[in-house]
Amino acid sequence: DSGVTQTPKHLITATGQRVTLRCSPRSGDLSVYWYQQSLDQGLQFLIHYYNGEERAKGNILERFSAQQFPDLHSELNLSSLELGDSALYFCASTGGFYRAHGYTFGSGTRLTVV
Amino acid sequence: AQKVTQAQTEISVVEKEDVTLDCVYETRDTTYYLFWYKQPPSGELVFLIRRNSFDEQNEISGRYSWNFQKSTSSFNFTITASQVVDSAVYFCALSEGSNAGGTSYGKLTFGQGTILTVHP
Repeated sequence: DSGVTQTPKHLITATGQRVTLRCSPRSGDLSVYWYQQSLDQGLQFLIHYYNGEERAKGNILERFSAQQFPDLHSELNLSSLELGDSALYFCASTGGFYRAHGYTFGSGTRLTVV
Repeated sequence: AQKVTQAQTEISVVEKEDVTLDCVYETRDTTYYLFWYKQPPSGELVFLIRRNSFDEQNEISGRYSWNFQKSTSSFNFTITASQVVDSAVYFCALSEGSNAGGTSYGKLTFGQGTILTVHP
């Protein structure tokens, strides 16, 4: 167990629907990052939150949004889903430079849009 | 802009062979971090190593070793005496030096990954 918890592990939904992916960071970590892994795009950075504030955005579609709550867990909302949104979505957390591992990844949520 | 290139898409070896996975990076930052992750068939990302831009010492951990050369912007990974359990996708990644007021890492930029298959 890496200490980063992602739920659900698997999600199957239809096109046009909306889903919410949840991430609980490792205890004490203030930063949460979301990544999307698809066959054609590889591992792509989506968004970074630090202590509740958005810090950086990557290739995140307008149909996608995220937030980090006061208890530091984060949610990634995907709406108007398309077949191409099928991917493995990872969350990672960090506690700053002093932790040897840097980023700790969750086990991912595998989203299948049918 | 940061970029990581893993030119080897797939590598196939026979057990006990040594194998080197190449990684070349581009960044304008003077402070940055380099990582290697392993993604086995089960899908999770397993941390292997972190190296900062000021530490060019090579590192060895069991059968794994890493060669960091700033002069060629490379951070190569060698597995000695490969085993079937080493079969996985390996990612090299680069992080900005700091974000969020210097208290957090910036985003990770990943290479495309190298699929390593070790045959018995």
